[in-house]
Amino acid sequence: DAKTTQPNSMESNEEEPVHLPCNHSTISGTDYIHWYRQLPSQGPEYVIHGLTSNVNNRMASLAIAEDRKSSTLILHRATLRDAAVYYCILRGYGGSQGNLIFGKGTKLSVKP
Amino acid sequence: DSGVTQTPKHLITATGQRVTLRCSPRSGDLSVYWYQQSLDQGLQFLIQYYNGEERAKGNILERFSAQQFPDLHSELNLSSLELGDSALYFCASRSGTAYTDTQYFGPGTRLTVL
Repeated sequence: DAKTTQPNSMESNEEEPVHLPCNHSTISGTDYIHWYRQLPSQGPEYVIHGLTSNVNNRMASLAIAEDRKSSTLILHRATLRDAAVYYCILRGYGGSQGNLIFGKGTKLSVKP
Repeated sequence: DSGVTQTPKHLITATGQRVTLRCSPRSGDLSVYWYQQSLDQGLQFLIQYYNGEERAKGNILERFSAQQFPDLHSELNLSSLELGDSALYFCASRSGTAYTDTQYFGPGTRLTVL
């Protein structure tokens, strides 16, 4: 399976934007980039996914590099509730097709 | 609330015992996935069922088994429990098409083996 690399941890201040990077240099043309997050003491939850174009939803934005070898999850105004572990996952012929394959993710801390 | 329910929330048992964890997927979802989350291994896929049939297996031990019933709820059976089986067990159900699907996770069952 194609692999993703994320920083172990990041810190942010409340109400500031947060950019969470993910490298996936071996991504194949049919792999979708998915992001999930896991809040403390909860199950993972879906955040966003994309293939080539940048994507926005109510939770976040996903910026995908032109060569697709990296992507960035953008939280526009971090809140204390956004403190979680964020996972970048590839899904497709090069990634996982059914089950999700979780790496270590990035632990985001948000300071008031 | 993801719409996926899991019972019980907590389970404390002794080594050598057998337990059953239960999961009900979101209404309309046919797939159920089971994952284990331990401190040293992170989140790992165990097994998937689709409409009552086993579809995929991950790092599931032979001591563990699962099934999905006609009403689509699923049970994960863990037997001959060892200390190392202590972990959070999540189930998830899935909606959408391949590669663009979304998995919805339940709140998990925390298993403690003493």
